[in-house]
Amino acid sequence: DIVMTQTPLSLSVTPGQPASISCKSSQSLLHGDGKTYLYWYLQKPGQSPQLLIYEASNRFSGVPDRFSGSGSGTDFTLKISRVEAEDVGVYYCMQGMHLLPWTFGQGTKVEIK
Amino acid sequence: VQLVQSGAEVKKPGASVKVSCETSGFTFLSSDINWVRQATGRGLEWLGWMGLNSGDTVYAERFQGRITITRDTSKSTAYMELSTLRSEDTAVYYCARSGWFGQFFFALLDWGQGTQVSVSS
Repeated sequence: DIVMTQTPLSLSVTPGQPASISCKSSQSLLHGDGKTYLYWYLQKPGQSPQLLIYEASNRFSGVPDRFSGSGSGTDFTLKISRVEAEDVGVYYCMQGMHLLPWTFGQGTKVEIK
Repeated sequence: VQLVQSGAEVKKPGASVKVSCETSGFTFLSSDINWVRQATGRGLEWLGWMGLNSGDTVYAERFQGRITITRDTSKSTAYMELSTLRSEDTAVYYCARSGWFGQFFFALLDWGQGTQVSVSS
C-alpha cells in the first residue's frame, strides 16, 4: 500500500497569517494518463470531511481561493495564504490512484492562536 | 447531492452491523461508493469501494472476509456490512461518492453524515 506522511501534525496559526502542510507519498502519484491523484480534505469539528483540492492542484467548487495545492510525484503541499477562523479543523491528504486501496495521511490539526 | 446514512448502532463483540447510505441528487449508476471509517480521535481509514453500475467491489485487505458492500439500485442505496465485530471496530463509518466528472476524477467527492458504530460487551 502507498504510505502517506503529513507534516506537521499540528499547527497553531495567527489569523491572517499563512499556513503550509506537507504530504509525502511512498510512491509517485503521477499516473500514466498524466494525472496526479492526490486529494486534500478538511474535516471541521463535528463534521464529515469535505473535499478541498483534487488532482493535486485543482481547487474544488466553492473552496476559497486562499487555499492552494501544489506538488508532483511524491511531494505535495497545501497552502492557506491567510488563515481565517473558519479554517480550523484537521486536514488530510489522500492518494486516489487507480489501484486501490486509497490511503490517507495522518492528518494535520490546524488551530487558531 | 445527498448521502443519508442510517442511525447509530450498538453491537456486541462477534455480531454484525449493516449500515445504509441512501443517495439522491445524482444518477446512482454513474458514480462509485466508498466506505471510510474514523475511530474516536483518530484519522481516516478507507474500507472498500463499489462501482454502482457494475456492482464490482474492492475491499481493503485487512477487512477481507469481514466486509461486504452491496447496493439496491431501485432504492439508490448502498450498504456496508461488517461481521465478527470487535471493540477496535468502534468508529464512525462514512459513505462517500467518487467518480469521473468530465475530465477529472473526484475521489470522495460527497460524504454521508456518518454512522456511529459502537462495539461493547
